[in-house]
Amino acid sequence: DIQMTQSPSSLSASVGDRVTVTCRASQIISNFLSWYQQKPGKAPKLLIYAASSLQSGVPSRFSGSGSGTDFTLTIGNLQPEDFATYYCQQTYSVPWTFGQGTKVEIK
Amino acid sequence: QVQLQESGPGLVKPSQTLSLTCTVSGGSISSGSYYWSWTRQPAGKGLEWIGHIHTSGSTNYNPSFKSRVTISVDTSKNQFSLRLSSVTAADTAVYYCARPNYGSGTYYFDSWGQGTLVTVSS
Repeated sequence: DIQMTQSPSSLSASVGDRVTVTCRASQIISNFLSWYQQKPGKAPKLLIYAASSLQSGVPSRFSGSGSGTDFTLTIGNLQPEDFATYYCQQTYSVPWTFGQGTKVEIK
Repeated sequence: QVQLQESGPGLVKPSQTLSLTCTVSGGSISSGSYYWSWTRQPAGKGLEWIGHIHTSGSTNYNPSFKSRVTISVDTSKNQFSLRLSSVTAADTAVYYCARPNYGSGTYYFDSWGQGTLVTVSS
């Protein structure tokens, strides 16, 4: 199985900050990487697919980069509605696996 | 965009079989080339992909579930189902159905059900 490791596990940030979350795959996954936002009691919401493609309707302050094994989700100008948990997921090979999540909290 | 809705018992006894159904609306489950997928999330924990079934009928399962899991499709009802046998308390989780989409050469989950909580307890 491909292991997905996110860092940090949690972070505190203020409105207006720029936030970066990283995701490392245990083997090369090309660009088969998605990012999701999840709020309590809700299903995950797709933000980024194919490592850097912004899902329709997602604000442009969200961006993704990377290829191979190392990936980054950046939230520029953090907004109050962005405080949530973020997950990466690889769909390069089954079993499709998720990172353990990064909780973005209000400082 | 397709809509998905999970349904099934919220309480299952240990050693029994968990059975959930996902009803698809806004599109036919048998048209196109899609995967129909199940993912779960224990309270306070991360997401775990369980498996999926393709429109062709082929399936892939997470080996961590060994031979306990079966995913099937009922095209007459536009539904797909999850069966997980020999459940224990560790199977207590919110279960999500989803339909991965394909674009830019990759699969990604842009359609999710709202999730249903299943508790395993006697």
